[in-house]
Amino acid sequence: GAVVSQHPSWVICKSGTSVKIECRSLDFQATTMFWYRQFPKQSLMLMATSNEGSKATYEQGVEKDKFLINHASLTLSTLTVTSAHPEDSSFYICSATGTLTDTQYFGPGTRLTVL
Amino acid sequence: DQQVKQNSPSLSVQEGRISILNCDYTNSMFDYFLWYKKYPAEGPTFLISISSIKDKNEDGRFTVFLNKSAKHLSLHIVPSQPGDSAVYFCASKIGNQFYFGTGTSLTVIP
Repeated sequence: GAVVSQHPSWVICKSGTSVKIECRSLDFQATTMFWYRQFPKQSLMLMATSNEGSKATYEQGVEKDKFLINHASLTLSTLTVTSAHPEDSSFYICSATGTLTDTQYFGPGTRLTVL
Repeated sequence: DQQVKQNSPSLSVQEGRISILNCDYTNSMFDYFLWYKKYPAEGPTFLISISSIKDKNEDGRFTVFLNKSAKHLSLHIVPSQPGDSAVYFCASKIGNQFYFGTGTSLTVIP
């Protein structure tokens, strides 16, 4: 199947700093990328959907100024958590789908810990 | 409004037996259905999918059944193995939008 990577896999930062997470589709063109957040023992929560070259569509309750999403190319999307606080600590997962597939492929996830 | 529901949060099955995971959906316009497997601290892994024009798709130990009249989807794992222990998510697709269930945690007992 298609491969989606995320970097970093784990990041620890101080409160108030910004953190950027990268999501890459390695072997297909990702026309649409999704960003999810998962709290412990909870299901995936969709944060936003981004199409290449256009602004992301955020789900209700997700602060777009805090979670900046950029999908500048068909293989790369980034999520920047701005002015991170301890409550932003979570497991962030990206996924991607392309024109040649009906399937959404997930990255391995990034664990963010804000001290 | 939860358009895709997995009503069983957990399931335990003996090794070698069949595991049946269920999923219900409300939107008859969904045209594609998927199952994912997720281990802790990892992203979900795609398992198997089925188009709305089919009622069964099989891949090795995994079979997905679709009952459109009942708006019901199920995943059968035969025989179940301890390594199958994970959280399973079903998903339904319409256009470019995916809707996920809340997951069922499967434990396969050796």
